[in-house]
Amino acid sequence: SQTIHQWPATLVQPVGSPLSLECTVEGTSNPNLYWYRQAAGRGLQLLFYSVGIGQISSEVPQNLSASRPQDRQFILSSKKLLLSDSGFYLCAWSVQPVAGQPQHFGDGTRLSIL
Amino acid sequence: DQQVKQNSPSLSVQEGRISILNCDYTNSMFDYFLWYKKYPAEGPTFLISISSIKDKNEDGRFTVFLNKSAKHLSLHIVPSQPGDSAVYFCAASGRGSNYKLTFGKGTLLTVNP
Repeated sequence: SQTIHQWPATLVQPVGSPLSLECTVEGTSNPNLYWYRQAAGRGLQLLFYSVGIGQISSEVPQNLSASRPQDRQFILSSKKLLLSDSGFYLCAWSVQPVAGQPQHFGDGTRLSIL
Repeated sequence: DQQVKQNSPSLSVQEGRISILNCDYTNSMFDYFLWYKKYPAEGPTFLISISSIKDKNEDGRFTVFLNKSAKHLSLHIVPSQPGDSAVYFCAASGRGSNYKLTFGKGTLLTVNP
């Protein structure tokens, strides 16, 4: 069966520090991968998605970047964190595009910027 | 512009009764709709989906109804159980952008024993 792992579960970082969040998927190959952010009281906002190694699409202008160095690894990064980067970050995967395919989420990282 | 709207931030129901969670959308290009359930400090879990060619889909205690003309869908949970207490997100995807889901802000369901 397929599983998705995200770490760390919680992270407290000072403003201006770098960030690296990692997500890996097991039990499937060539998945679509996604990074979402949920700010307090808001829905899930899609930040990045990837349909293959090295292929990243950004959905919203922001202080973050994403990379996919391996088929089942997705990394969310920042060189300098802002206060507004606080939130709950979720990684998700799905099979290659077929209409209505659900996305499957990891347990998320709670990021607090001080 | 919010394309998927869940206008009720919270809902409280007695155990054993029906829970009805509502969702409205504005984009007529959406052709699949999904419901997710989320517990605190966990990622959302896929519950049930419906294609725009159907008006009802049922899976155990969960039924989703779609009214395309009204651009409205609802999730019915019968009977409701305390373990159903969670945030429920409605999501939609459209033809031509199959790998993107647009989510509503969620509704917090509390089922009281």
